[in-house]
Amino acid sequence: QSALTQPASVSGSPGQSITISCTGTSSDVGAYNYVSWYQQHPGKAPKLIIYDVNSRPSGVSSRFSGSKSGDTAALTISGLQAEDEADYYCKSYTRSSTVVFGGGTKLTVL
Amino acid sequence: EVQLVESGGGLVHPGGSLRLSCAASGFTCSSYDMHWVRQGIGKGLEWVSVVSIGADTYYSDSVRGRFTISRENAKNSLFLQMNSLRVGDTAVYYCARARNFDYWGQGVLVTVSS
Repeated sequence: QSALTQPASVSGSPGQSITISCTGTSSDVGAYNYVSWYQQHPGKAPKLIIYDVNSRPSGVSSRFSGSKSGDTAALTISGLQAEDEADYYCKSYTRSSTVVFGGGTKLTVL
Repeated sequence: EVQLVESGGGLVHPGGSLRLSCAASGFTCSSYDMHWVRQGIGKGLEWVSVVSIGADTYYSDSVRGRFTISRENAKNSLFLQMNSLRVGDTAVYYCARARNFDYWGQGVLVTVSS
């Protein structure tokens, strides 16, 4: 159950777009379209922002989008805003019916 | 309104036990897969365990054999019995709903220290 691989940090200026990658294996990310993304602000519980690779829950901004190719998923945030500064985690189900998270990415809005 | 409220955390010595509870409201707990996730202080999220709609249970390698997940339909609650606790189990523990983890509790702190 190795963690999915995410960059430790990314940054961007307001209005720009950034992409966070999430690399797994054919036993997790590549196995199913069950990749989710979570946003976590300091001291708060995580919040679901993308599920099933590219679906957005009601109330989540359309500036958040997801994609997947092979064993790598990605989260794109367009039109960066100061409030987007947070930690972001990807998550996938595995062929063993367990769940694995990415190590997390700290987004800094410059 | 969907709500998840964890309780039962605290300070425990290595080798000790603790039972966490997660009270659900606004939905029927037994109609969803329910998960436990933990986060060490300053660290990332780590999945711990799930109990499925069909009552199947799965665990991460790090807790299998020491932790037991269960739910009680009459109380609409989820539980995590944690035995043989280690310093490395120190974390904030969250319960989360469904395959997509669409709702999370506020978390409860478990500290394992001598």
